[in-house]
Amino acid sequence: GAGVSQSPSNKVTEKGKDVELRCDPISGHTALYWYRQSLGQGLEFLIYFQGNSAPDKSGLPSDRFSAERTGGSVSTLTIQRTQQEDSAVYLCASSLEGTSGRIGTDTQYFGPGTRLTVL
Amino acid sequence: AQRVTQPEKLLSVFKGAPVELKCNYSYSGSPELFWYVQYSRQRLQLLLRHISRESIKGFTADLNKGETSFHLKKPFAQEEDSAMYYCALSGGNQFYFGTGTSLTVIP
Repeated sequence: GAGVSQSPSNKVTEKGKDVELRCDPISGHTALYWYRQSLGQGLEFLIYFQGNSAPDKSGLPSDRFSAERTGGSVSTLTIQRTQQEDSAVYLCASSLEGTSGRIGTDTQYFGPGTRLTVL
Repeated sequence: AQRVTQPEKLLSVFKGAPVELKCNYSYSGSPELFWYVQYSRQRLQLLLRHISRESIKGFTADLNKGETSFHLKKPFAQEEDSAMYYCALSGGNQFYFGTGTSLTVIP
């Protein structure tokens, strides 16, 4: 079946503009994750959804970042008033979430990422 | 606080030589640890998880709670093992990745 897809694959924007990144998870996967990978850095956890709800939003870098998930499927990550330090690859992953109650215990399947460049 | 540390950004070994990619973690509870791998031009994917105690592609990783380590090992490296390896930890409502180690296996 189809894997996780993300759009756009590349986004170039001007400082101060808003951007919206989209993630389509694997059908049936209840858990969805957003990460940010900056140059030379590891993957920085941003937010996790179980169904439509995100139990912990503290990973979002600032209040300019927000994410939502509707219908237990597609998710959007919105960055308002973009800054140059927001330039990074934004990765989305999805998983079946088991009964362990711990995040990420089921295999995460990653999308190809969206490369965001803020000029 | 840094949850997962991978001290080596780059690691090169010769084909057939043993390889060990280091990972240390800090977590107050009972950790669940993983290794993810990204081959060239491919997506990030799970390699193995400690709870399964499995060997994947000849790689193993043992959780050492005393040393808070989860090093990834393979006795005989192959060229196709060249990739970026990330150690990761499941904690609370967040998931932590290390900064990754780029492994190059020299023919």
